[in-house]
Amino acid sequence: GENVEQHPSTLSVQEGDSAVIKCTYSDSASNYFPWYKQELGKRPQLIIDIRSNVGEKKDQRIAVTLNKTAKHFSLHITETQPEDSAVYFCAASMDSSYKLIFGSGTRLLVRP
Amino acid sequence: AAGVIQSPRHLIKEKRETATLKCYPIPRHDTVYWYQQGPGQDPQFLISFYEKMQSDKGSIPDRFSAQQFSDYHSELNMSSLELGDSALYFCASSLTAGPNNEQFFGPGTRLTVL
Repeated sequence: GENVEQHPSTLSVQEGDSAVIKCTYSDSASNYFPWYKQELGKRPQLIIDIRSNVGEKKDQRIAVTLNKTAKHFSLHITETQPEDSAVYFCAASMDSSYKLIFGSGTRLLVRP
Repeated sequence: AAGVIQSPRHLIKEKRETATLKCYPIPRHDTVYWYQQGPGQDPQFLISFYEKMQSDKGSIPDRFSAQQFSDYHSELNMSSLELGDSALYFCASSLTAGPNNEQFFGPGTRLTVL
């Protein structure tokens, strides 16, 4: 089955700096890649997603890039703010199932 | 906008007891998913339903069962509870025919087994 690996597991950046989180997936049939932000004890919140027919997508300070050949995708957050501090999960799914397979998460700390 | 509703929000049970978690998807969403998230872990897919039929099954123990009713709400039934069942249980819903099949998560039920 699909396996998603995510790194780093923790990331500490200074406010205003950029943060990059990377994920790789194993099943080439996966074609939908969302990113979720989760604060402690709260629900995962979708922040951006990308489908396999697109290489890059941007929404204000957040962008996601996808390399289908290498089977990896990345989340880029620019001009980080303390409120960006949370756990970020990447995930993958495919049309045959739609279930989300999550990466292990990255704890992002933005230092004021 | 209406969101996914889960009840109860918190549940405390003893070992070997049973628990029932409820999920009310976003209106007109046709697919419901259940995920289990242990402390410090990523959400793990348990089971999903499309139009009231089970559509996929993940790492769900035999002690657990689930169903989706005619009004599209879903229930996760958990029997012979074990300490290791303590976790956050999320329900998510989606519109399968939508452009990205985006899954919207409910607030979760925190289950504590003592």
